Amino acid sequence: GDSVTQMEGPVTLSEEAFLTINCTYTATGYPSLFWYVQYPGEGLQLLLKATKADDKGSNKGFEATYRKETTSFHLEKGSVQVSDSAVYFCALSDRGKGNNRLAFGKGNQVVVIP
Amino acid sequence: DADVTQTPRNRITKTGKRIMLECSQTKGHDRMYWYRQDPGLGLQLIYYSFDVKDINKGEISDGYSVSRQAQAKFSLSLESAIPNQTALYFCAIQPSGPANTGELFFGEGSRLTVL
Repeated sequence: GDSVTQMEGPVTLSEEAFLTINCTYTATGYPSLFWYVQYPGEGLQLLLKATKADDKGSNKGFEATYRKETTSFHLEKGSVQVSDSAVYFCALSDRGKGNNRLAFGKGNQVVVIP
Repeated sequence: DADVTQTPRNRITKTGKRIMLECSQTKGHDRMYWYRQDPGLGLQLIYYSFDVKDINKGEISDGYSVSRQAQAKFSLSLESAIPNQTALYFCAIQPSGPANTGELFFGEGSRLTVL
């Protein structure tokens, strides 16, 4: 079935560093791709999305490009802040299957140190 | 007011007790979901519903049951709680039809501890 794989382990980095979180997917159809963010003590909220190949989603300085050739949707930010400390989830939804349920990756804890 | 409200936000209970987690929404969306979050495991789908009285099992439905008696409400029950059901539980909603882009809207979560 459809699945999402995120890089293993937490990510710790200094303020103003460059952040990359890798996400690859497996899908038989034409999925939409999402990044969700979960701040401490809160629910998940949508960070950005892309609905077709070569689309770039962006929000709050974060970007991710839908790469069909490499089945990837890596999240990047050029200069992180302490307030970006959170858990980040990659997810996909395959509308072609008629139900549009989301499949989530396991998430990556990001800790930004001042 | 939040679009998706979960109650209780925190609950500590004992093994064997019956627990109900409630979810209500103000968006009028047809689709509602219950997820479980465990550290390092991401989100796992427990049950979902696409309409009133429609119930579908997710990946990890054993030990859980749900009820969708009204469009705005979707409750999750643990008939006899066990310690490995200690987790953070999320309710999420999603529109159906052309408005559905795949995005889910989440509640703030219900933290359940089973002793």
